Amino acid sequence: ETGVTQSPTHLIKTRGQQVTLRCSSQSGHNTVSWYQQALGQGPQFIFQYYREEENGRGNFPPRFSGLQFPNYSSELNVNALELDDSALYLCASSLETSGSARETQYFGPGTRLLVL
Amino acid sequence: AQTVTQSQPEMSVQEAETVTLSCTYDTSESDYYLFWYKQPPSRQMILVIRQEAYKQQNATENRFSVNFQKAAKSFSLKISDSQLGDAAMYFCAYRLFYSSGSARQLTFGSGTQLTVLP
Repeated sequence: ETGVTQSPTHLIKTRGQQVTLRCSSQSGHNTVSWYQQALGQGPQFIFQYYREEENGRGNFPPRFSGLQFPNYSSELNVNALELDDSALYLCASSLETSGSARETQYFGPGTRLLVL
Repeated sequence: AQTVTQSQPEMSVQEAETVTLSCTYDTSESDYYLFWYKQPPSRQMILVIRQEAYKQQNATENRFSVNFQKAAKSFSLKISDSQLGDAAMYFCAYRLFYSSGSARQLTFGSGTQLTVLP
């Protein structure tokens, strides 16, 4: 069974640029959630994708967007990068059914983004 | 909105001893999950233990056990026979059981950094 993978592991961008982060979900999982973890803090929910549609969003602006593909892998896109976007971005996958959140979310190793 | 509070930013324990990490949460819901995740320096968030709110019995996983007090909205983690490999940041997290559309996310506390002393 393959776990959750993320790429790249590290990334350096400059303010105003755009970035795409990628996540492959664990085998058998249909849902991907993205979290932002600033240094020294707990992860904050960005959004979740279920069956290729956004299924909930946290308090993040529209310049944070995403996609989920038919194989349930996912991308997180951030436009017009700001210095405060520097963080660890975590992807988590789970198996969900409509209406209930029974399954545990399993996390990938994260992508460390530095915005200069 | 649900909130999770971890009031101990740092804890230390002697190897082979027992340590308890505290967590409180605030919710008006009755059906939810609570989790403890461990994040070592490698950054990978690893599930330690999970508790369903409808279960009165406290969850255990080998050396890890919880004390779940639903009325008090308290969810502490006990680590017995602490090992050097237990050193990590520990996060308490909450997740609603039923939802329509959104609100299936994990809500995390701010974490407790655990140091294990040899």
